[in-house]
Amino acid sequence: DAKTTQPPSMDCAEGRAANLPCNHSTISGNEYVYWYRQIHSQGPQYIIHGLKNNETNEMASLIITEDRKSSTLILPHATLRDTAVYYCIVRVALYNTDKLIFGTGTRLQVFP
Amino acid sequence: NAGVTQTPKFRVLKTGQSMTLLCAQDMNHEYMYWYRQDPGMGLRLIHYSVGEGTTAKGEVPDGYNVSRLKKQNFLLGLESAAPSQTSVYFCASRLGDILNTEAFFGQGTRLTVV
Repeated sequence: DAKTTQPPSMDCAEGRAANLPCNHSTISGNEYVYWYRQIHSQGPQYIIHGLKNNETNEMASLIITEDRKSSTLILPHATLRDTAVYYCIVRVALYNTDKLIFGTGTRLQVFP
Repeated sequence: NAGVTQTPKFRVLKTGQSMTLLCAQDMNHEYMYWYRQDPGMGLRLIHYSVGEGTTAKGEVPDGYNVSRLKKQNFLLGLESAAPSQTSVYFCASRLGDILNTEAFFGQGTRLTVV
């Protein structure tokens, strides 16, 4: 699976958009980009995933560059409850092979 | 619908003791995973399973064994606990189809080895 690089920490004002970057320069054509977050010490929570196209759901938007070497998770209106560690993961979608490897993530602090 | 349930939630072991952590899911998921998370670190994959009766090694499998005798359960065993295995353990499950469904995580088991 391709390795990802994320900044260790970021701050964001409440109500503003939080833009979390992720580099995955060695990503291959059949690898998906996933985002999870971990609030305090709870189990990680799925946010969104994509392959080539930009994706949006009720939680966030995922912007993937055309060369697919980087992506950005956007929380459009951050709240205090969005304070968490955000993990960017890339993995191959092959039947019977799925390691789902996490990196070190970005600690997002949303302040009032 | 309970999702992913881990048992126990907390445990203190003495060095050399053995124990088994249980992960149970009621979503009929094929894939299951065991992770450990040390303070201030990300999750590291210990072992995983892509179906009943199958298991595979992850990033940090040494000192652990697993079994998947029933589809809904994934057991993680420590035969001889060491202080280095003090950690929070998370279990996850995923549907396992080619459409790349999300993984669901349990709430964790906090293990201390003294």
